[in-house]
Amino acid sequence: QKEVEQNSGPLSVPEGAIASLNCTYSDRGSQSFFWYRQYSGKSPELIMSIYSNGDKEDGRFTAQLNKASQYVSLLIRDSQPSDSATYLCAVNGRAARQLTFGSGTQLTVLP
Amino acid sequence: DAGVTQSPTHLIKTRGQHVTLRCSPISGHKSVSWYQQVLGQGPQFIFQYYEKEERGRGNFPDRFSARQFPNYSSELNVNALLLGDSALYLCASSLGQGDQPQHFGDGTRLSIL
Repeated sequence: QKEVEQNSGPLSVPEGAIASLNCTYSDRGSQSFFWYRQYSGKSPELIMSIYSNGDKEDGRFTAQLNKASQYVSLLIRDSQPSDSATYLCAVNGRAARQLTFGSGTQLTVLP
Repeated sequence: DAGVTQSPTHLIKTRGQHVTLRCSPISGHKSVSWYQQVLGQGPQFIFQYYEKEERGRGNFPDRFSARQFPNYSSELNVNALLLGDSALYLCASSLGQGDQPQHFGDGTRLSIL
């Protein structure tokens, strides 16, 4: 079992729709959770961080965390073509010394 | 404010050679981490340094080493390069170790011929 798992996609949604990206993790002691966006040929860009159960909203982005289910998700509302990228889920483990990344979900927003 | 800066941006080496990659963190950040990213995968953790000490090491061979300087900048060294070392090498900085978010530089793309 991979430590952090994401659906590889690709995921396609029409412009204006809600994109839903999911991530599960294996380390029950994980402390902090992050979503990064990576455009092709570029480096990861931090878009959301979440530390406690529930929802956290920032503009069009909402991160959701359920530690009991070891599940974290990212919702993108009113998706735009500029949101087309690979979204990486990252988990800071029990020792909080390293980020473990999923393999990413490729999102395409169709005009 | 300047973000994380890495140099060089691109590098071509041959098998068996040695390479040094450099990273300057965001001003005020004391922790630097290094990651390797191959095409189609998420970044893989190599090292974390905080206050000039190694605080974490990923599952990489001893050919990989790093250090952090008093100004918090960092170097990643790779000896005896293999074809499989071809990747994007990413440096990330954070305020401290622990739960603070990490911010990435643009990376160094290393190609081994």
